[in-house]
Amino acid sequence: QKEVEQNSGPLSVPEGAIASLNCTYSDRGSQSFFWYRQYSGKSPELIMSIYSNGDKEDGRFTAQLNKASQYVSLLIRDSQPSDSATYLCAVTPFGGGYNKLIFGAGTRLAVHP
Amino acid sequence: ETGVTQTPRHLVMGMTNKKSLKCEQHLGHNAMYWYKQSAKKPLELMFVYSLEERVENNSVPSRFSPECPNSSHLFLHLHTLQPEDSALYLCASYRTSGENKRSGANVLTFGAGSRLTVL
Repeated sequence: QKEVEQNSGPLSVPEGAIASLNCTYSDRGSQSFFWYRQYSGKSPELIMSIYSNGDKEDGRFTAQLNKASQYVSLLIRDSQPSDSATYLCAVTPFGGGYNKLIFGAGTRLAVHP
Repeated sequence: ETGVTQTPRHLVMGMTNKKSLKCEQHLGHNAMYWYKQSAKKPLELMFVYSLEERVENNSVPSRFSPECPNSSHLFLHLHTLQPEDSALYLCASYRTSGENKRSGANVLTFGAGSRLTVL
């Protein structure tokens, strides 16, 4: 069973701090990695994608991928209360096309003023 | 508004009812999905339609029946559901971009979801 694991949280951080969200995956051949943000009562929205080892930065967000250790993380700098949401990690496993995306259960982030 | 519209947003039904969920995408995407989201569980892929071809998760019970008449519309027909089917049902559509074509990755756009309660 190919899995994507996330700590359910809640992860509580003060406003202005760095929030670090982690995700591990079981399929070593996984190819593509995504972070979705889901506000309560809303649908998931894609915020970051990463395909190769290393860091990818977009504004306050940085995705980090380490294929050897099979983890992907999301850093949120200068966290704001508006960042409070559930963050879903998603992975396309080896040989998987568009119909093979596997999601984690999500980590709930709470940013307090 | 994401460009993927789901109706109804909320549905309450009895176990003997028959109802349908509807999804429409205005993005020119080439695949559409149904996902089930239960509390504290990963999103569960139920069905995929691409170019009117159907791919399904074999663990989905037959009381869920998808229909995709064209690339912009997707339905989920519901009949004789069970209380454990109560969940958020998310429709999504898919496209490729330049970067994603090279990597073969997915870029999913979700609708707002249909919250289903089975009594």
